[in-house]
Amino acid sequence: SQQGEEDPQALSIQEGENATMNCSYKTSINNLQWYRQNSGRGLVHLILIRSNEREKHSGRLRVTLDTSKKSSSLLITASRAADTASYFCATDSTSGSRLTFGEGTQLTVNP
Amino acid sequence: DAGITQSPRHKVTETGTPVTLRCHQTENHRYMYWYRQDPGHGLRLIHYSYGVKDTDKGEVSDGYSVSRSKTEDFLLTLESATSSQTSVYFCAISESGDRIAKNIQYFGAGTRLSVL
Repeated sequence: SQQGEEDPQALSIQEGENATMNCSYKTSINNLQWYRQNSGRGLVHLILIRSNEREKHSGRLRVTLDTSKKSSSLLITASRAADTASYFCATDSTSGSRLTFGEGTQLTVNP
Repeated sequence: DAGITQSPRHKVTETGTPVTLRCHQTENHRYMYWYRQDPGHGLRLIHYSYGVKDTDKGEVSDGYSVSRSKTEDFLLTLESATSSQTSVYFCAISESGDRIAKNIQYFGAGTRLSVL
């Protein structure tokens, strides 16, 4: 079963708006990551947040983590058409080298 | 795609035939992974390797085998392909080192496999 589950499954917004995607997971984690996948391409790592962190920023990306609720959110501010992609959260396993991916959120940013 | 080459990029085969997918990396990373991606299931781990000749099963390993005879190459074999193995297959790599380094994975461009 998938450790991470993203919500919503699909999101369509206008350029310039903010996009928020959520991820819930089931078991304790050491860290949580977000990846982006453009159509027909492999996944690309965006950002990693450790279990003892609550918020992290990278450019237009803001990630929050609430370990008490076992959830994370990814905020993309001032979205661009080039942000159109699928976004996946991934959580680690106790062994530390294996990740479990959610099913992803398909983001469409309309120009 | 971070020095990772998957071959072939596309393959069409018939049920019952053997298929081997290749992942080649130029990063000298210790860990290598094979995933399959299907609608409604996201990415699921098939097998992974933590060193030359060291491999372990993932969550959907049935019907698949792997081999890693060199650091740079990780092969995924479908001994007798079935239609349920029609999917997009991704190879990924990650470094050794601390937990953070091991966790960040770099992906190849994928192989689209159709089993008819």
